[in-house]
Amino acid sequence: AQSVAQPEDQVNVAEGNPLTVKCTYSVSGNPYLFWYVQYPNRGLQFLLKYITGDNLVKGSYGFEAEFNKSQTSFHLKKPSALVSDSALYFCAVNPLGPMDSNYQLIWGAGTKLIIKP
Amino acid sequence: GAGVSQSPRYKVAKRGQDVALRCDPISGHVSLFWYQQALGQGPEFLTYFQNEAQLDKSGLPSDRFFAERPEGSVSTLKIQRTQQEDSAVYLCASSLGGLGNTIYFGEGSWLTVV
Repeated sequence: AQSVAQPEDQVNVAEGNPLTVKCTYSVSGNPYLFWYVQYPNRGLQFLLKYITGDNLVKGSYGFEAEFNKSQTSFHLKKPSALVSDSALYFCAVNPLGPMDSNYQLIWGAGTKLIIKP
Repeated sequence: GAGVSQSPRYKVAKRGQDVALRCDPISGHVSLFWYQQALGQGPEFLTYFQNEAQLDKSGLPSDRFFAERPEGSVSTLKIQRTQQEDSAVYLCASSLGGLGNTIYFGEGSWLTVV
């Protein structure tokens, strides 16, 4: 079965330190990959996506993600964490199946990121 | 509008009551999605529209759930005879459609059934 894994339920980082939120996937073909962030009591906000091209994708709020095809990973990174980055982060994958189902996104379970001052 | 707009933001319903949740997608967006999200969990797919056509409703949990998008713009998710297990956040999202287009979410409608 196709799946997306976010192996860490929670990641704790000190403010100013680099952060990584991990995402690996198991889907057929070459998927499209997305990261979303959810602040408390808010909807999901789009951060960045990988479609094709450069494996390093830059997105909103200073976040970036690196696509690694051999490791089927799409880890989210930021060089210097801010307290305001504390939120719930979701990885999602569009597996590009048959044309009548290529709208589907497969979601990871989410990772709670806590940035401590 | 600039983003996906959902109303009401918060709804408390008595068990057995019918509720209707509205979604106004980004102008020009062909695709519209409804998701259900439990606290601290990822979104669970409910249904998908392409313009006015409901192409996938496989995620609707029971026949008490019904969604429509009659003119290919605003959508309504209706829940009949609400049960406590229906308590969740209902997220609407829209996109231009097609491969790789970003799906944009609304702020959600928080439903509590008492």
